[in-house]
Order: sequence, then structure tokens, then C-alpha cells
Amino acid sequence: EPEVTQTPSHQVTQMGQEVILRCVPISNHLYFYWYRQILGQKVEFLVSFYNNEISEKSEIFDDQFSVERPDGSNFTLKIRSTKLEDSAMYFCASSERRGGSYNEQFFGPGTRLTVL
Amino acid sequence: AQSVTQLDSQVPVFEEAPVELRCNYSSSVSVYLFWYVQYPNQGLQLLLKYLSGSTLVKGINGFEAEFNKSQTSFHLRKPSVHISDTAEYFCAVIRNSGNTPLVFGKGTRLSVIA
Repeated sequence: EPEVTQTPSHQVTQMGQEVILRCVPISNHLYFYWYRQILGQKVEFLVSFYNNEISEKSEIFDDQFSVERPDGSNFTLKIRSTKLEDSAMYFCASSERRGGSYNEQFFGPGTRLTVL
Repeated sequence: AQSVTQLDSQVPVFEEAPVELRCNYSSSVSVYLFWYVQYPNQGLQLLLKYLSGSTLVKGINGFEAEFNKSQTSFHLRKPSVHISDTAEYFCAVIRNSGNTPLVFGKGTRLSVIA
């Protein structure tokens, strides 16, 4: 069964460093998402991406964040200069682009980012 | 804007007992409703969803949920839980207009005790 994969499973970095989180969405999906979950808090939407551009983003997704689809399979989230408060579990998701009003989002296992 | 409230952060229950995990939402537009489950060290898995039609929806692993529009609730139930149901459960809503973001509650940790 096709699934969304994410690498690495755990990333430790120093404050101020750049990190890139990687996701491989399901191959025929066209919509991609990043969510994050700070420990003990709710899962929050960061950004959605379609047709090589940002479709929607939340207030959390400021200039420190960027997303890219560098090739036909990967979808990345870059944090330019990490802060302590960026420590969280980051989830990637993907969905098909079909007609109608609902397309299920399939989630990856997450990357735990720890900023020291 | 939409918001989701899960009042219970932790629910301990004995094996084979029934369980109800509560979820309330608010929204100024029509929404679809979901329950996701997260097992340890795994991603979010869709348990069930309400899009339209019958207000009682059945999902995987014997779970069901009932949509109550007047009470803006979507509580999750299972008549008899197993040890393997121990996990984090998230209620979520989505605007019913295309590929829009999910809005999650804070989650409820269900612990099934032998």
C-alpha cells in the first residue's frame, strides 16, 4: 500500500542552524502539506502546496520557513535559522487532486526536530 | 475560522469496557469531521469521517462516531476496547471546499488497562 515517508525520523540541531525536512508523498498525489505538533499541544497546519506554489499558509509559516518540490518525488520544508520554539514533530501529508469537495490527506510518520 | 475542543486529555479505561472520547467544534462555515489515531512512533491514521448523510459513521477497528449538529459535537465511541487501542486520538475538521487544511483538537490519550 502506498504511503508517505519522511526523513529523518529525528533531527537534532543547534539554534540558528538551517534544517531541511524531507518528505516523499504518495506518487499520484498533487497536494502536499506540512503540519507540526509542539509537545503537548495540538497538531497545527503550516502550509499547503500545489502546482509548484504555496496554496495556503498559516500565521506560523513566516519568512523563516520555505517549501520546495526539488524533483518529481521529494517535498521539503526548510527552516532557515532554527529557534528553540521550532522544536516539534513535523508531519507531511499528501492528497489527490480530484473533483469534488473532499480529498483525504495521508500522513507520514513525522520528523521529530529538537533545537538545542 | 474553525476550532476543535477535546475536553479530555487522558482517558484510562479497562479492557473490554466501553469508551467515549468527546469532541466539540465551532465553525462559521460547513465542515467535514474526522477522527485520527496515532499509535506510538507512527503517523496519523484516519479512523473515520463524516462528510454527509447518516449522522452515525463507522470506522476501522470497531470505532464509531455520531455527528450532532445542534450540539456541534462528534464524539467517538467503542463498545469494548482492547489493549491495542491504546493510542492518541485526534478530532479534526476541514472546510468543505476543496483541498483545505485540517484543524485539529489537542488530542486525547486513551490508555487501556488490562
